[in-house]
Amino acid sequence: KAGVTQTPRYLIKTRGQQVTLSCSPISGHRSVSWYQQTPGQGLQFLFEYFSETQRNKGNFPGRFSGRQFSNSRSEMNVSTLELGDSALYLCASSLRVSSYNEQFFGPGTRLTVL
Amino acid sequence: AQTVTQSQPEMSVQEAETVTLSCTYDTSESDYYLFWYKQPPSRQMILVIRQEAYKQQNATENRFSVNFQKAAKSFSLKISDSQLGDAAMYFCASIGVASGSEKLVFGKGTKLTVNP
Repeated sequence: KAGVTQTPRYLIKTRGQQVTLSCSPISGHRSVSWYQQTPGQGLQFLFEYFSETQRNKGNFPGRFSGRQFSNSRSEMNVSTLELGDSALYLCASSLRVSSYNEQFFGPGTRLTVL
Repeated sequence: AQTVTQSQPEMSVQEAETVTLSCTYDTSESDYYLFWYKQPPSRQMILVIRQEAYKQQNATENRFSVNFQKAAKSFSLKISDSQLGDAAMYFCASIGVASGSEKLVFGKGTKLTVNP
């Protein structure tokens, strides 16, 4: 079974631009979560989606948005990019069928904002 | 609210020796899970071990074991017979059950170096 895939793996953008990152969960997984990883702040939760509905949102500005499609694939969008948005963006998927569901992480998208 | 603290930014161990990584946490939830994740350089994050808070027995996975001290809110990871492939960032994380959320709260991580 294929793992979580994220595209693109690397991105370079300039300030003010917008970017869309994609995450394809493991087949059968219906829950997708996104995290931002930076050297200074560590891993911070962005969003959580299940059955096309946002279930939880982290403490990020409105420039960060996301969505989930009927096939469970998810995208996140960052508008008006700032230098501080440079980070590794990770997504994780799970079955979400019980109180505990192991989350499997993708390789991440490395975003560099110049 | 949950917080996770890893007080050791870096640790090193000789190959075949044992090392313990520390983690403390705080949570307002009565039922929760604790995890150790491993993130090798430029590779995917993988789950090493998990502990259910209501279970008193410490979790063990091959060379990896935890020391879960619920009253002290401490959750350390012991790696026995360290191997070169154990070199990675290790993150301690928690998740509450009651909220129904899958939001993981991570510590800042400990970089483990394994010396040959």
